[in-house]
Amino acid sequence: DGGITQSPKYLFRKEGQNVTLSCEQNLNHDAMYWYRQDPGQGLRLIYYSQIVNDFQKGDIAEGYSVSREKKESFPLTVTSAQKNPTAFYLCASSIGRDIPSGTEAFFGQGTRLTVV
Amino acid sequence: GENVEQHPSTLSVQEGDSAVIKCTYSDSASNYFPWYKQELGKRPQLIIDIRSNVGEKKDQRIAVTLNKTAKHFSLHITETQPEDSAVYFCAAPPRGGGYNKLIFGAGTRLAVHP
Repeated sequence: DGGITQSPKYLFRKEGQNVTLSCEQNLNHDAMYWYRQDPGQGLRLIYYSQIVNDFQKGDIAEGYSVSREKKESFPLTVTSAQKNPTAFYLCASSIGRDIPSGTEAFFGQGTRLTVV
Repeated sequence: GENVEQHPSTLSVQEGDSAVIKCTYSDSASNYFPWYKQELGKRPQLIIDIRSNVGEKKDQRIAVTLNKTAKHFSLHITETQPEDSAVYFCAAPPRGGGYNKLIFGAGTRLAVHP
């Protein structure tokens, strides 16, 4: 279904703990992205990656970290430094390869993280 | 900073009416403008996009228009149906373009009443 999978769908963590969200795609896309979605604020870019072993900070990268060791995978770690981590997290992928004209982004189903 | 402004934030229409959502962008060099639809509890999905070399694009009941001079683009939904109820997001490339990165608007919650 869509070729991009996020897990888990719901995640609960205690305050102060790091947590890693999984994102896998089998679309052979070069580019992958992490967005955070809060009510009334649209989709805000956390990190993005255009190629394996390379990634760039988005608009709200503080308190988050990522890795891109494989083309198919782009996990996001929410660290204890993130002051307000409770949110809905969306992973996306696109063909990428620095196509400045833009192409469709395919989204995963999202992970709803709740920190208590 | 880089931003895409989207209006209105909520829109309520009667079934069969038209709905229009407008977005403005800041970088005159931007050349790709997609619209995504997110139904409740589901992932955003692309419904239509337009590139800067055209002024309008239609797909059945939906259309997107682009005014490059004014730096705004709009989504038009005609003959709305209850299944059109969702949150709609516009997006545009950031200032300087490149890297297929998109900046999203804050979203418009459309409610179509039977």
